[in-house]
Amino acid sequence: EAGVTQSPTHLIKTRGQQATLRCSPISGHTSVYWYQQALGLGLQFLLWYDEGEERNRGNFPPRFSGRQFPNYSSELNVNALELEDSALYLCASSFNTGGSNEKLFFGSGTQLSVL
Amino acid sequence: AQTVTQSQPEMSVQEAETVTLSCTYDTSENNYYLFWYKQPPSRQMILVIRQEAYKQQNATENRFSVNFQKAAKSFSLKISDSQLGDTAMYFCAFMKHTGNTGKLIFGQGTTLQVKP
Repeated sequence: EAGVTQSPTHLIKTRGQQATLRCSPISGHTSVYWYQQALGLGLQFLLWYDEGEERNRGNFPPRFSGRQFPNYSSELNVNALELEDSALYLCASSFNTGGSNEKLFFGSGTQLSVL
Repeated sequence: AQTVTQSQPEMSVQEAETVTLSCTYDTSENNYYLFWYKQPPSRQMILVIRQEAYKQQNATENRFSVNFQKAAKSFSLKISDSQLGDTAMYFCAFMKHTGNTGKLIFGQGTTLQVKP
């Protein structure tokens, strides 16, 4: 069974550009989560999507946005890129067990570098 | 607000020996989940073990076991018979059970080096 897959593996952008990161969850999982892992800041929760809707959002500016498609895959968009957006972006998926999504499985991440 | 603290930035252990990684957390919740994740150089976060706070029995997964002390808000990970493949960064994480937000709160991580 395939795990959580993310693309691209690496992404290089310049300041002010837009970045699009993609995530395919494990088959059967309906929830997708996005986390940012920046040097010195640890892992920070970004977004949670379930059944196509945004369920929760971390403390990030509106230029971080995303969506979930009918097949449960997801995109994370980062607009007006800033140097401090350089980080590893990890996607995770889980079953939605009646509101208790207690086991998240992660992908290998997209390394975003903003120059 | 919940916080997770890992006070050991780096640790090392000889192959085949046992090592314990520490984690403490702070919460006013009574029902929650605790996790240990492993992040090897491949960067993928791999779930090592999960503990449900309402279960008193400590979780075990093969060579990995936890010592969950709810009153002390402590959740340490013991790795027995350490293997070279255990070299990785280990993260302790917390998630609320009720009123779930889908949000894992991670500690700062502990880098573990297993030496031959």
